Amino acid sequence: AAGVIQSPRHLIKEKRETATLKCYPIPRHDTVYWYQQGPGQDPQFLISFYEKMQSDKGSIPDRFSAQQFSDYHSELNMSSLELGDSALYFCASSPPVRGGDTQYFGPGTRLTVL
Amino acid sequence: EDQVTQSPEALRLQEGESSSLNCSYTVSGLRGLFWYRQDPGKGPEFLFTLYSAGEEKEKERLKATLTKKESFLHITAPKPEDSATYLCAVQGLDDYKLSFGAGTTVTVRA
Repeated sequence: AAGVIQSPRHLIKEKRETATLKCYPIPRHDTVYWYQQGPGQDPQFLISFYEKMQSDKGSIPDRFSAQQFSDYHSELNMSSLELGDSALYFCASSPPVRGGDTQYFGPGTRLTVL
Repeated sequence: EDQVTQSPEALRLQEGESSSLNCSYTVSGLRGLFWYRQDPGKGPEFLFTLYSAGEEKEKERLKATLTKKESFLHITAPKPEDSATYLCAVQGLDDYKLSFGAGTTVTVRA
């Protein structure tokens, strides 16, 4: 079965640089979620999109922005990167059934900021 | 704010030694409680969704149960391949985000 695809899988950036992470949801899934997982920590919700509109917002820094495109893929744009942004970034998608949606996670992008 | 507490933090089991993981939660209204398995450096893998107290779900050696305040993940006769971190998450009625617990890292020795 098709899964969530994330690219790139690994990314190394310098402080103050920008990064773009991409997420391709499971086919026919219309909702995308972004989570950040620091070393030894649980995933923290950043932001989500439903039918290309922002639906929920969590602890996402103002330096980060995201959007969902017409083909439902999503991109997380990160600017003025800081050392503390080093983490695993997961994208999850859920099917078009609102209410108790199960979220299916991708393999993640490991971002290292030097 | 939704809160999830998992215990124990770590669990070391001998192959075949059954045990249970606990997930206590506080949420204004529960839409769903989710169990995931996560291997190091990989994305959480979905295991179960529970919606209401009294509900139970099973998959191979795993069984999840739900009450109004907590959920248990029972591992029966575990094998080394069951070694992983098990994450519990809740979804409240106010939105669709998942609030995770810190996880229980299970190590099963042959």
